[in-house]
Amino acid sequence: NAGVMQNPRHLVRRRGQEARLRCSPMKGHSHVYWYRQLPEEGLKFMVYLQKENIIDESGMPKERFSAEFPKEGPSILRIQQVVRGDSAAYFCASSPQEGANSPLHFGNGTRLTVT
Amino acid sequence: SQQGEEDPQALSIQEGENATMNCSYKTSINNLQWYRQNSGRGLVHLILIRSNEREKHSGRLRVTLDTSKKSSSLLITASRAADTASYFCATDSGGGADGLTFGKGTHLIIQP
Repeated sequence: NAGVMQNPRHLVRRRGQEARLRCSPMKGHSHVYWYRQLPEEGLKFMVYLQKENIIDESGMPKERFSAEFPKEGPSILRIQQVVRGDSAAYFCASSPQEGANSPLHFGNGTRLTVT
Repeated sequence: SQQGEEDPQALSIQEGENATMNCSYKTSINNLQWYRQNSGRGLVHLILIRSNEREKHSGRLRVTLDTSKKSSSLLITASRAADTASYFCATDSGGGADGLTFGKGTHLIIQP
């Protein structure tokens, strides 16, 4: 039973380009969360999605960032016109249940570097 | 503002000793979770303790929760080199409606 799969592991983009980060949740999990982690920091919540629905995007910047979790395929976190401040590790987590009353299963993250 | 904050920020002990990490939070919670993160990897869930529980054990891990003081502690007994990692507490309020809020973590180093 594969865990949460994120790709790519490392992504380098120049300022102004687009970054697309993919996340396949664990089999049977329909709840996906995206977090951002800066060096030596904890994880910051960005967005919570269920299949075809954004449930809570209160942690996501209003501009340039978007997320989706289509009926088929992985969840995508998209960052348009990247800036140096977007450099971070982005983690996806999934759970089989709604809410924060069950453990989250994390992927190994995508490390985005903006040059 | 940070919901969960771990203390200390860093801890270095000898193999075989016990390691204790603390977490404080600000608002009421339904549960509190502890996670471990090895360098360059994702977080791994360790233990979940509900607000009506005071103590929970899992192998060499012992977690306590004091809701009156809004604090929790994670004790790792008989530490091993493989326990070297960052440890985070996470609570279910203070962040997004359904997102966990993480502290900045305690970086634990076990010296052989």
